[in-house]
Amino acid sequence: GIQVEQSPPDLILQEGANSTLRCNFSDSVNNLQWFHQNPWGQLINLFYIPSGTKQNGRLSATTVATERYSLLYISSSQTTDSGVYFCAVSLSGNTPLVFGKGTRLSVIA
Amino acid sequence: KAGVTQTPRYLIKTRGQQVTLSCSPISGHRSVSWYQQTPGQGLQFLFEYFSETQRNKGNFPGRFSGRQFSNSRSEMNVSTLELGDSALYLCASSLGLADTQYFGPGTRLTVL
Repeated sequence: GIQVEQSPPDLILQEGANSTLRCNFSDSVNNLQWFHQNPWGQLINLFYIPSGTKQNGRLSATTVATERYSLLYISSSQTTDSGVYFCAVSLSGNTPLVFGKGTRLSVIA
Repeated sequence: KAGVTQTPRYLIKTRGQQVTLSCSPISGHRSVSWYQQTPGQGLQFLFEYFSETQRNKGNFPGRFSGRQFSNSRSEMNVSTLELGDSALYLCASSLGLADTQYFGPGTRLTVL
């Protein structure tokens, strides 16, 4: 099956710093989503981005489907950005999402 | 629009018992997917239902089953519980499997 690798596994930032999270996948995908899981376990969808670039406030994401990777940028990080960021992909419209192991982000005040 | 709801939020069971978890999707969403999250295995897909039909199933034993009702609400059942079934069970709803998935708050199951 498709492999999804996220890096780095852990990241500690000072409040106000910027960061880049990476997601590599092993096959062509038609669906890629980024999620944030808060400390209480709630998964929030950040982006649906099988290709191209999107921005939402301090967050932006870029997927280069031909090179099989996606990047999530977090600017001016805040303590509320802490949690685990997951990348999930699927091969086709009829197959379920496969999740990476996540990047655990800790933002320190 | 109300989000995805899951009940119960917390559950404690003993080995050998069975459990039923419920998920109510966002109104208008017909696809409901279930995931198991554990520290060791991460997020793993259990199954997906669309219009009352199971379209996809993950690599889990037959003790894990589910169903979807005509109003798109879904239930999953785990029979003969094992200690390793302790996990956060997450439900996600979407218009279709290829669309943005919205997750519920999860049910945290502890098996003693």
